[in-house]
Amino acid sequence: ETGVTQSPTHLIKTRGQQVTLRCSSQSGHNTVSWYQQALGQGPQFIFQYYREEENGRGNFPPRFSGLQFPNYSSELNVNALELDDSALYLCASSTGTRAYNEQFFGPGTRLTVL
Amino acid sequence: AQKITQTQPGMFVQEKEAVTLDCTYDTSDQSYGLFWYKQPSSGEMIFLIYQGSYDEQNATEGRYSLNFQKARKSANLVISASQLGDSAMYFCAMREGHVNRGSRLTFGEGTQLTVNP
Repeated sequence: ETGVTQSPTHLIKTRGQQVTLRCSSQSGHNTVSWYQQALGQGPQFIFQYYREEENGRGNFPPRFSGLQFPNYSSELNVNALELDDSALYLCASSTGTRAYNEQFFGPGTRLTVL
Repeated sequence: AQKITQTQPGMFVQEKEAVTLDCTYDTSDQSYGLFWYKQPSSGEMIFLIYQGSYDEQNATEGRYSLNFQKARKSANLVISASQLGDSAMYFCAMREGHVNRGSRLTFGEGTQLTVNP
């Protein structure tokens, strides 16, 4: 069984640029969630996709957007990058959206905005 | 709003001893799940243990057990027989299961555990 994978591993961008991060969910998982983890803090929920539809969003501006594809892989897009967007971006997949649905995380993408 | 509190920024334990990492939570929902994750310096979030709000018995997974006290809203992680490889950041997280709102995980600030030889 293939776990959650994310690409790229590391990324360096400059302020104002746009970035796309990718996530392949674990086999059989139809739900993908994205989290932002700033240095020294716990992850913060960005949004979740369930069967290709956004299903909940955290306190992030509209320049954070996403997609989920029919194979349940997902993209996170961030426009007009700001210095504070520098963080570890984690993707997690699960088999559903209930409280008991265990979430499995990928290794993360470390984004640095200069 | 849901909230997770981890009051121990750092903990130290001797190898082979047991350690308890504290976690308290706040929610108005009846149905929720509590998770503990381990995050080594590499960054990957590793699932350790899960406790459902309706589970009557405390969860156990190998050397990990969850001391769930619902009335006190606490979900402490107990690691028995600590190993050097247990040194990492540990996060407590809660998930509410409302499909319409998305079942997001709310994380605490984490506890940095150091296991000394």
